[in-house]
Amino acid sequence: DAMVIQNPRYQVTQFGKPVTLSCSQTLNHNVMYWYQQKSSQAPKLLFHYYDKDFNNEADTPDNFQSRRPNTSFCFLDIRSPGLGDAAMYLCATSRDSAGRANRRGTDTQYFGPGTRLTVL
Amino acid sequence: AQSVTQLDSHVSVSEGTPVLLRCNYSSSYSPSLFWYVQHPNKGLQLLLKYTSAATLVKGINGFEAEFKKSETSFHLTKPSAHMSDAAEYFCVVSDLISGGYNKLIFGAGTRLAVHP
Repeated sequence: DAMVIQNPRYQVTQFGKPVTLSCSQTLNHNVMYWYQQKSSQAPKLLFHYYDKDFNNEADTPDNFQSRRPNTSFCFLDIRSPGLGDAAMYLCATSRDSAGRANRRGTDTQYFGPGTRLTVL
Repeated sequence: AQSVTQLDSHVSVSEGTPVLLRCNYSSSYSPSLFWYVQHPNKGLQLLLKYTSAATLVKGINGFEAEFKKSETSFHLTKPSAHMSDAAEYFCVVSDLISGGYNKLIFGAGTRLAVHP
């Protein structure tokens, strides 16, 4: 089945120690997103890739970076995790069927199972 | 700008009774609306989606939602709750951002509890 895969499902890191979370997809979607979800809150968009174009949300801290080496993979790098970065991190994908110039905001986003990050 | 309000943070029902999760939206144009469900420690699963076709949208697991433009509502219903329906439910509106992508605007979520 086509899907969005996140590895690992659970990640423990130490305060200040860099960590990388991974997302892969078999849907061949051209847009990939990273969300942060803290306990009992809605997901918060960090950034997204439209093909190779990186789009950062204005309030995403510099501590968070992302890489997309190819269509299938996208990585979230947290350079110096703090205790406040402990959260569930969700990857999502969507297919831009209307073309960049004609987007109507209707594309469904498909989410992976998430990676729960613990910072000690 | 788009926004979405989920009117109940918690809903509790008995197994076999109807479910109603309420959602109101604000939009300056015809919106795309979604309901997602999230079980504990899991990702978000799409329940259903409205994109200006039929106003009554049927989703998975017996859920449906009705788009009412006059009331700016998109309430989620199910005739008979099952224990497995216990989860967090998010009402979401898609916001078309200038220059390129559909940013999802999430409601705060409604936690559904189902009792035997």
